[in-house]
This record gives sequence, structure tokens and C-alpha cells, in this order.
Amino acid sequence: KQEVTQIPAALSVPEGENLVLNCSFTDSAIYNLQWFRQDPGKGLTSLLLIQSSQREQTSGRLNASLDKSSGRSTLYIAASQPGDSATYLCAVRGDSSYKLIFGSGTRLLVRP
Amino acid sequence: SAVISQKPSRDICQRGTSLTIQCQVDSQVTMMFWYRQQPGQSLTLIATANQGSEATYESGFVIDKFPISRPNLTFSTLTVSNMSPEDSSIYLCSVLGGVDGSYEQYFGPGTRLTVT
Repeated sequence: KQEVTQIPAALSVPEGENLVLNCSFTDSAIYNLQWFRQDPGKGLTSLLLIQSSQREQTSGRLNASLDKSSGRSTLYIAASQPGDSATYLCAVRGDSSYKLIFGSGTRLLVRP
Repeated sequence: SAVISQKPSRDICQRGTSLTIQCQVDSQVTMMFWYRQQPGQSLTLIATANQGSEATYESGFVIDKFPISRPNLTFSTLTVSNMSPEDSSIYLCSVLGGVDGSYEQYFGPGTRLTVT
């Protein structure tokens, strides 16, 4: 059974810092991995999608990497801003299922 | 990408009553999903709804409690029946999209339900 873990659970950084959020999964037989952002009480916004054959994806100040064999993904946020404050969720899709399995999220606070 | 809307955005309901949540997508999609997010928790899949077939429920969720309709390729409803305070959650509609089999998943804004 796939399990997804995100570390740290919460993170507080001053504005301008570069930071890394971690995601690990127990079953390496994945189809893809998706990073989402969730603002309090809101839905999820898709940030980056990485297919199992890819090593990384970039969008603006965000870069996500994937090491399928070791069951790890990282989300790198460059030059953090207060507007980046949100919960970041990692989710994996198995290669034999349409289901997304979510981690518990990292709650990020970027202080001005 | 797919644009998803949900109604209502939030509601406060009394225990024992039922609430139907609507999900509308701006394009035709085969697979729609309903998720629940309890306070302070991550997302849990309730069921998968494909047009023209019965919804498939995950372990711990039953049709009598969470009946789902999927009348066409752009619309679905989830009903939360005989509500109790434990049903207080955010309910999210989601669709599977993406081009060329990329299977990117998109989410609606959610319905925040409080049961008193």
C-alpha cells in the first residue's frame, strides 16, 4: 500500500530565503507525482506535474525533482515571498491506478 | 487545464439533514473524483464517478451515506446524508485531465461544510 510522507510538517522562514520541501513515497511503481498548493479553506492549485520518466520540472521560482528509485521528491522554492505562504501537498499516482495518494502536507509561512 | 466550480462554497447544516454539493466542469471529462478533507488533515478519496456507470467507493465510504450522481460528462453531485458533526469537512471535486495521457489532476474550490 502506497504511503506518502512530507517533511517538515511546518516551516517558517524570512522572506527571500530559498527553501526545500520534501516528499517520500513507499512504492516506487508510480505513474506521476504532483505538487499542489492549498490556501486556508480553499481548493488545491496544481503547481507541478512530474511523470515517472522525468527527473525534474520547473515553473518560475519553483523546481520539483523526482528520484523514483529512492522514492523521493523535493520542491524547491527560490527567493520566497509572503505570498508563498500556504500548505504544499505532494501526491503520487500509481502506475496501475487512477487514484492520487496524498501526503499530509507542509504548512509554509514566509515572514515579511 | 480544467476549470471546476462547486456549489455551495460553504454551508452550515443541522445534524440529521442532507446536503447536495454540485460540481461543474468547463470541459468534458471521463473521470471525476470526490474527496474529503477533515479539519487539519490531508485529502481522502471518497469515490470515483464515471459517466454512465455507478460510482466506485473507497473503503470506509458507502453509497447510502454519500450518494453520487454523474448525469453527463461535465457535471456531478455528491450528497452527504444524515449528517453528523463528524461530517464537518471540506468536500472537493476533482477531474483527471492533461494532454497525451499525462494525467494531471485538477481540483475545484471546495465546499466547506459545518454540521452543528
